[in-house]
Amino acid sequence: QSALTQPASVSGSPGQSITISCTGTSSDVGGYNYVSWYQHHPGKAPKLMIYEVSYRPSGVSNRFSGSKSGNRASLTISGLQAEDEADYYCISYTTTTTSGVVFGGGTKLTVL
Amino acid sequence: EVQLVESGGGVVRPGGSLRLSCAASGFSFNDYGMNWVRQAPGKGLEWVSRINWSGDSARYADSVKGRFTISRDNAKNSLYLQMDSLRVEDTAFYYCARRDSSASYDYWGQGTLVTVSS
Repeated sequence: QSALTQPASVSGSPGQSITISCTGTSSDVGGYNYVSWYQHHPGKAPKLMIYEVSYRPSGVSNRFSGSKSGNRASLTISGLQAEDEADYYCISYTTTTTSGVVFGGGTKLTVL
Repeated sequence: EVQLVESGGGVVRPGGSLRLSCAASGFSFNDYGMNWVRQAPGKGLEWVSRINWSGDSARYADSVKGRFTISRDNAKNSLYLQMDSLRVEDTAFYYCARRDSSASYDYWGQGTLVTVSS
C-alpha cells in the first residue's frame, strides 16, 4: 500500500480537463510545499511535470498545473490530448521515511 | 542536455547477482544525490536506494537492505547498484534518477529490466 493515495484511474475526452488527486498526511503533503508530479509512458523515462506543488519545469506544457489544499495535492490537465494518456505519480517530501520521500500509487489516465 | 543511461539488466536465477550501471552526462554529476527507483510488472514506482553527492552516505528500502549496495564513481560520472541474493520479487524495471534540491526527481533514465526467474 502506497503512502500517498491516488485514484487508480481517471479518464476524459480530448479537449476536456481532468484532475488527479494525491492525498497524504500532515507529515508529508500537508507539511511541506514539496509535492512533485510525474508522467510515465510505459517503456520510457518518467518525466517531471510539476515540482514544489505548482511549478512547471522548462518545456512542460502550461496545460499542466498543480495545487495543494491541506493534505491533498492535485494535478490538473486542461485541453486533454491523446499524448497525455499515461500513468501519473505524485511524490512528496517527508521526514518520516528513509528515502526522504513518499510515493503515490499512480493513476492511469485514459483519453477516450 | 542531461542524460542518464542505465545498463546491466538481464535474466538471473533466484539467489544470483547483477550489477546495474547508470552513465550520467550533461551536468555536474558530483553536485547531485542520485537514486534508484524500480517498477515491478503491473505495479507503481518504488524507491530502492539513494546515495549522496560524495558517496559516503547511502540509504536503502527495507525490501533490499542487506542485499543491494549503491555506489558511485564521480570520476566516471557513473552510478551503480550491486544486487545480490536476488529474489523473484526483485523483477522490475530499474531507473536511475537525479534528485534536486526541491526533493523532486528532475531527470530519469529509460530504465533497465531485471528479471529474476528460475
